[in-house]
Amino acid sequence: AQTVTQSQPEMSVQEAETVTLSCTYDTSESDYYLFWYKQPPSRQMILVIRQEAYKQQNATENRFSVNFQKAAKSFSLKISDSQLGDAAMYFCAYRSLYNTDKLIFGTGTRLQVFP
Amino acid sequence: GAVVSQHPSRVICKSGTSVKIECRSLDFQATTMFWYRQFPKQSLMLMATSNEGSKATYEQGVEKDKFLINHASLTLSTLTVTSAHPEDSSFYICSALVTVPRDEQYFGPGTRLTVT
Repeated sequence: AQTVTQSQPEMSVQEAETVTLSCTYDTSESDYYLFWYKQPPSRQMILVIRQEAYKQQNATENRFSVNFQKAAKSFSLKISDSQLGDAAMYFCAYRSLYNTDKLIFGTGTRLQVFP
Repeated sequence: GAVVSQHPSRVICKSGTSVKIECRSLDFQATTMFWYRQFPKQSLMLMATSNEGSKATYEQGVEKDKFLINHASLTLSTLTVTSAHPEDSSFYICSALVTVPRDEQYFGPGTRLTVT
C-alpha cells in the first residue's frame, strides 16, 4: 500500500521569503501522480501543483515549484516570495496512475507567514 | 473552473438521528464523486467512492450501513449519517472527478457535523 509522509507539522516563513515543505512517499508503482493541496482556514481544498511521475521536469506554477526526486521518493514544495495569503495547511497527496479513485494524503504541514 | 458545493455547511443533530449531506457539481457532470472525513488537525481520509447509478465503494473500516451514499444523478451525491453518535462529529468533504482535459478532483467546501 502507498503511504505519504509529511515530517513537518508546522513551518513558518517571513513575507517575501522562500520556504520549502517536505514530502516523502512509498510506492512500488513506477507511474503515478503527486499533488500539493492547500487548505486555508475556509477549509476549501485547492490544488496547488501536480506532478506526473513519468515527467522528469519539475512542475512549476507561478511562485510554487516542486523538487521531485523519484529515486528518493521525495516531492518537496517550494514557495517563493511568500505572501500572507499563503498561510494554510498544505497536504501532499499521491494517486496511482492505474486507479483514479484514490488520493492518499499526508498528514499536512501548517504554514504560517509572518509580515 | 469546476465548482463543487456542499449543503449544509454546518449541521448539529442529536444522537440517534440521521443527517444528510449533499454534494453537487455546479457546472459539470461527475460520474464519480468521493467522500472524505477530516478530524481536527488531521488529514483527509477517503471514506467511499460514489459512482452515478451504481453502489458506492467503501474503504476498509467504513460502515456502509452507517454512512449511506447515493449518487442518483450526474451532479448530486448524498451522504447520510444514520443513527449518528458523538464520535461521528467531524468535517466531511466531498470531491468530484473531472476527466477532461485530465483526471482531477475538485473539492467542496466541506460540512461540519456536530452530534450532541
